[in-house]
Amino acid sequence: AQSVTQLGSHVSVSEGALVLLRCNYSSSVPPYLFWYVQYPNQGLQLLLKYTTGATLVKGINGFEAEFKKSETSFHLTKPSAHMSDAAEYFCAVSGGNAGNMLTFGGGTRLMVKP
Amino acid sequence: EAGVTQFPSHSVIEKGQTVTLRCDPISGHDNLYWYRRVMGKEIKFLLHFVKESKQDESGMPNNRFLAERTGGTYSTLKVQPAELEDSGVYFCASSQERRTGGSETQYFGPGTRLLVL
Repeated sequence: AQSVTQLGSHVSVSEGALVLLRCNYSSSVPPYLFWYVQYPNQGLQLLLKYTTGATLVKGINGFEAEFKKSETSFHLTKPSAHMSDAAEYFCAVSGGNAGNMLTFGGGTRLMVKP
Repeated sequence: EAGVTQFPSHSVIEKGQTVTLRCDPISGHDNLYWYRRVMGKEIKFLLHFVKESKQDESGMPNNRFLAERTGGTYSTLKVQPAELEDSGVYFCASSQERRTGGSETQYFGPGTRLLVL
């Protein structure tokens, strides 16, 4: 079975500081990996995804994530946080026997201080 | 293009009552998914439709939950009778891609917040 662990249910950064949200996964097959963001009163929006190929994936709003197979990680980063980045972020995995089903981590709420 | 819509946005019901949630996927999307997030827990898969057929319903918690997608367009999720532990946010997602394997992008609705008292 697949699983996802997001370290830190709450992360607080200052505006302009580096954003690092951690995600580790467990999968018996090469995984497909996703980061979604949820702004208040909105649905989950895809930030980026890794399927195959280049391990550094660039997404929307300046976010990127790197797939590291040896570390089973897919951490999300952004060089400089904006106030508008405050939201909840979800890492998810799919593939293998799970097919299209997404398995999510517990989510990380990002707070950005002025 | 309209996104995935869900109705109602909030529902408060008493234990033992029935509630029906509705999801309208993006037009032309054959795949429709239901997920649920119980407070403090992760988002969990409930089931997957391909058009009007249930492809995978392994995540449905018990037989108090009934999902339908008549005609392969919108879907409903009925909870009858509702229990306290059914409280949470119910998300619907849809996707267009027909390939299997898991690399598709799923587009999510805003969710229905269900509170069972």
